[in-house]
Amino acid sequence: KNEVEQSPQNLTAQEGEFITINCSYSVGISALHWLQQHPGGGIVSLFMLSSGKKKHGRLIATINIQEKHSSLHITASHPRDSAVYICAVRKNGNKLVFGAGTILRVKS
Amino acid sequence: DAGITQSPRHKVTETGTPVTLRCHQTENHRYMYWYRQDPGHGLRLIHYSYGVKDTDKGEVSDGYSVSRSKTEDFLLTLESATSSQTSVYFCAISDVGVNTEAFFGQGTRLTVV
Repeated sequence: KNEVEQSPQNLTAQEGEFITINCSYSVGISALHWLQQHPGGGIVSLFMLSSGKKKHGRLIATINIQEKHSSLHITASHPRDSAVYICAVRKNGNKLVFGAGTILRVKS
Repeated sequence: DAGITQSPRHKVTETGTPVTLRCHQTENHRYMYWYRQDPGHGLRLIHYSYGVKDTDKGEVSDGYSVSRSKTEDFLLTLESATSSQTSVYFCAISDVGVNTEAFFGQGTRLTVV
């Protein structure tokens, strides 16, 4: 079983919809990252969380340490949000372990 | 943008040849990582380094070796490339501490024919 599980694997939304991507992990962590990767592009860090909630523009990330779960929300989704969203956890020893990613497509 | 550069960005090589990929950082970060990204598998850790001359294996280290002789450079070597090593390779860096970000290189697309 993977240490980091993301759901859904694929997501298609209509422009303007509220989107949620989930990440569950099974190991002790010091931090959790949400990353974005556009087709053919590099990987960009969106958030790093060790507790609570962070907001940046239309993006919100939350983490529940007790439940070992994090969510990434996108409000008022737009076609330019189409990308792969990746959850990564920082384990003890500073190893980064990644989920398989969620492919998001937002249609206009 | 964080100073992290991968070279080459694209490479085609023949089966059985040695290949070295370079990751160079200007951030003086302690930790450096090599990942490969394949459809259906996401990003998988090959090797990582926690300091000069200090490295450890990741989950898919077979067929790969690494070296870190100075803080800024982390080299990934495929001693004898195989077609199964065709992939996109990403380097990442991070520093000590809970609240430090991770930064990624632009990736190297390697094709072994």
